[in-house]
Amino acid sequence: DQQVKQNSPSLSVQEGRISILNCDYTNSMFDYFLWYKKYPAEGPTFLISISSIKDKNEDGRFTVFLNKSAKHLSLHIVPSQPGDSAVYFCAAKKAAGNKLTFGGGTRVLVKP
Amino acid sequence: NAGVTQTPKFRILKIGQSMTLQCTQDMNHNYMYWYRQDPGMGLKLIYYSVGAGITDKGEVPNGYNVSRSTTEDFPLRLELAAPSQTSVYFCAIRTGTNEKLFFGSGTQLSVL
Repeated sequence: DQQVKQNSPSLSVQEGRISILNCDYTNSMFDYFLWYKKYPAEGPTFLISISSIKDKNEDGRFTVFLNKSAKHLSLHIVPSQPGDSAVYFCAAKKAAGNKLTFGGGTRVLVKP
Repeated sequence: NAGVTQTPKFRILKIGQSMTLQCTQDMNHNYMYWYRQDPGMGLKLIYYSVGAGITDKGEVPNGYNVSRSTTEDFPLRLELAAPSQTSVYFCAIRTGTNEKLFFGSGTQLSVL
């Protein structure tokens, strides 16, 4: 039972355009959400997060949106750059928990 | 990735062999985690530890064992390796609140 799903395994976008990555979750106990970025042969690195008390968090070119009623979050990258080509994982945490549940990842390719 | 060191980087095992994946951190954090990444499946939590002497199971603990005798080290032991354990293994530490994890660079394991 996948509690966190990333339904698009891959995404291709032109440099300078917007990349939108989507993530859905089923467990209403999740109250904190994170995005990680992973390059080949490296470990994932933390990118951005959002608490369930917010509906938007912005950090430079990266913005995460949370729609609690739809149990959906998205990551926007504007503008996309070739260095953004990587696999992106969304992850969720329950309140008072100490474990993350990850989605399957979306591979992003930014074309020059 | 500085701070979390995993060894070895690559290993090929025969079915039934055993081995220990090493993870060492020099950042003095209490929480440590072992994840495995299978293609298209995201990261699955194997075991985690909230401090020296304390370990607990994650989502996929079968076939693995861990110990945490010191804050620095969190080795993962595979007994009787099976092809289903072919994966990339990541060790991580929690560097703050809300599971902002810092990952090592991974161990790629093949069981043939």
